[in-house]
Amino acid sequence: GAVVSQHPSWVICKSGTSVKIECRSLDFQATTMFWYRQFPKQSLMLMATSNEGSKATYEQGVEKDKFLINHASLTLSTLTVTSAHPEDSSFYICSARVGGGRPPLHFGNGTRLTVT
Amino acid sequence: SQQGEEDPQALSIQEGENATMNCSYKTSINNLQWYRQNSGRGLVHLILIRSNEREKHSGRLRVTLDTSKKSSSLLITASRAADTASYFCATTQTSGSRLTFGEGTQLTVNP
Repeated sequence: GAVVSQHPSWVICKSGTSVKIECRSLDFQATTMFWYRQFPKQSLMLMATSNEGSKATYEQGVEKDKFLINHASLTLSTLTVTSAHPEDSSFYICSARVGGGRPPLHFGNGTRLTVT
Repeated sequence: SQQGEEDPQALSIQEGENATMNCSYKTSINNLQWYRQNSGRGLVHLILIRSNEREKHSGRLRVTLDTSKKSSSLLITASRAADTASYFCATTQTSGSRLTFGEGTQLTVNP
């Protein structure tokens, strides 16, 4: 089946630093990937839609300059949390669809970010 | 606001019992999906039901959809301890392709 790999699985960083999270589709091409954020015991909130070769589409309230998304190839999208603060600590999950955008979504295993 | 609302928020049952989770949504949808999330992990797709379908089965899973009530239910029969996880419904609206998740139900199956 379709596999999405997310790296790292967890990261601890200091306030003010930047962290890059990678999302790779291992056995399929994904023209579109999605980045979600999840706080403990809460649902997934869509942050942005990452489109290969073009700018990401951000959801309302998500700062595009703080959460930089790059989708440079059909198998890789990256999310960079810039100038991280403790309130950015969360679980970040990427997902992708196989080919023509039909469901279901295939999810990475998530990245636990802790900002100290 | 969240498209999907689920109840109960938490459910604790004994192994072998059935577990039923409900999901309600607000707008017209193309399809509704159920996902499972083990603690600290990504989501795994369980089943999809289209807006013109009323019931669907997959192994021990049974999903119903009532578009007139804008609600869906997920039934897990003969539950196992390994079914312990959070379960989310997610809808794709007719007006777009984005997937919107419900609040989730935390299911605990006690051995």
